Amino acid sequence: GAVVSQHPSWVICKSGTSVKIECRSLDFQATTMFWYRQFPKQSLMLMATSNEGSKATYEQGVEKDKFLINHASLTLSTLTVTSAHPEDSSFYICSARDAARGEGTEAFFGQGTRLTVV
Amino acid sequence: DAKTTQPTSMDCAEGRAANLPCNHSTISGNEYVYWYRQIHSQGPQYIIHGLKNNETNEMASLIITEDRKSSTLILPHATLRDTAVYYCIVRAHSGNTPLVFGKGTRLSVIA
Repeated sequence: GAVVSQHPSWVICKSGTSVKIECRSLDFQATTMFWYRQFPKQSLMLMATSNEGSKATYEQGVEKDKFLINHASLTLSTLTVTSAHPEDSSFYICSARDAARGEGTEAFFGQGTRLTVV
Repeated sequence: DAKTTQPTSMDCAEGRAANLPCNHSTISGNEYVYWYRQIHSQGPQYIIHGLKNNETNEMASLIITEDRKSSTLILPHATLRDTAVYYCIVRAHSGNTPLVFGKGTRLSVIA
């Protein structure tokens, strides 16, 4: 299947600093990418939908000014956690579908980024 | 909210078939049934999806009841590496809609 790559796989940062997570579709183009986070022993929760060339759509309860999403190209979306705090520590995962294959296809997921804020 | 119901956990002996049930009694006519799994500390992995016919690929088989209100994912010969959380998700193919995850079934394959 198609490959979605996230970087970094894990990061530790100090409270109050910002962290950028990259999500790349390696062998296909994605007009839309999705960002999830997952707390320990819980399921994935959708944070936002990232659209290439336009503003992201955030789920209720997700602060758009804290979680900045940029989707500048058809193969790259970034999530920046600004002024991170310990409660932002989580597993962040992105996903994407192959735009060429249409909307009725499976989505592929990155390997996830483990963020720890100390 | 997730539109599916799955057992919280299941055990399966290595080498035996693992049958994971999913209830989706409110599924709409244009919604597909998707299965993903998540091995600890990794991103979800796509397994299979279908609309109303049974489907089979190199990983698994998907059996959907005639009324489409439930389905079963079958791993024909479970191995220890199949230990994971399995998610059953329904999704319409209209619009680039995201996958909404429920709590899934934690499958433990036992030697």
